[in-house]
Amino acid sequence: ELKVEQNPLFLSMQEGKNYTIYCNYSTTSDRLYWYRQDPGKSLESLFVLLSNGAVKQEGRLMASLDTKARLSTLHITAAVHDLSATYFCAVSRSGNQFYFGTGTSLTVIP
Amino acid sequence: EAGVTQFPSHSVIEKGQTVTLRCDPISGHDNLYWYRRVMGKEIKFLLHFVKESKQDESGMPNNRFLAERTGGTYSTLKVQPAELEDSGVYFCASSHALTDTQYFGPGTRLTVL
Repeated sequence: ELKVEQNPLFLSMQEGKNYTIYCNYSTTSDRLYWYRQDPGKSLESLFVLLSNGAVKQEGRLMASLDTKARLSTLHITAAVHDLSATYFCAVSRSGNQFYFGTGTSLTVIP
Repeated sequence: EAGVTQFPSHSVIEKGQTVTLRCDPISGHDNLYWYRRVMGKEIKFLLHFVKESKQDESGMPNNRFLAERTGGTYSTLKVQPAELEDSGVYFCASSHALTDTQYFGPGTRLTVL
């Protein structure tokens, strides 16, 4: 079974600082996704990464994929309060079920 | 366009009772998935419908769980009888036949006392 490890589980960071969330997976996969979830809300798709070396950026978030290392990172630049949420990575094979990491609960403090 | 909706948002029941969760996917999405997140753990796959057919139900924990998708539109997930370990957040997701990105609902938080 494909295993996905995400760390850290909890992250408290000051506004204006940078930090990285890591997502490791155990076997080859087709796609890697990053989702954001606000309390009581749906998981919102942030990025889909398809190939080795893929990098995508949206605002203060940047995601990258290294398929050889089976590692994806979500980098947060100059954090602001409204980035506080839970972030999940997920991998899929053959477009079927997703395998999720445990999630990273991010709190940005003034 | 309306997103994936789930009902109810919360359910509190006693052990041994029955609960039915409902998911309405995005209109036109043939693929419908159920997932569950037990507190502190990862979100885990339960099953996958393609239209009204079960494509993969390998994640269903046991025969107390029954999922249906009559007519290939909305889906229900029934737990009967509920046990304490069934507590968690149940997510539904849907995707279009031509893409893999899954769109998630807000989840149903189930508490079994």
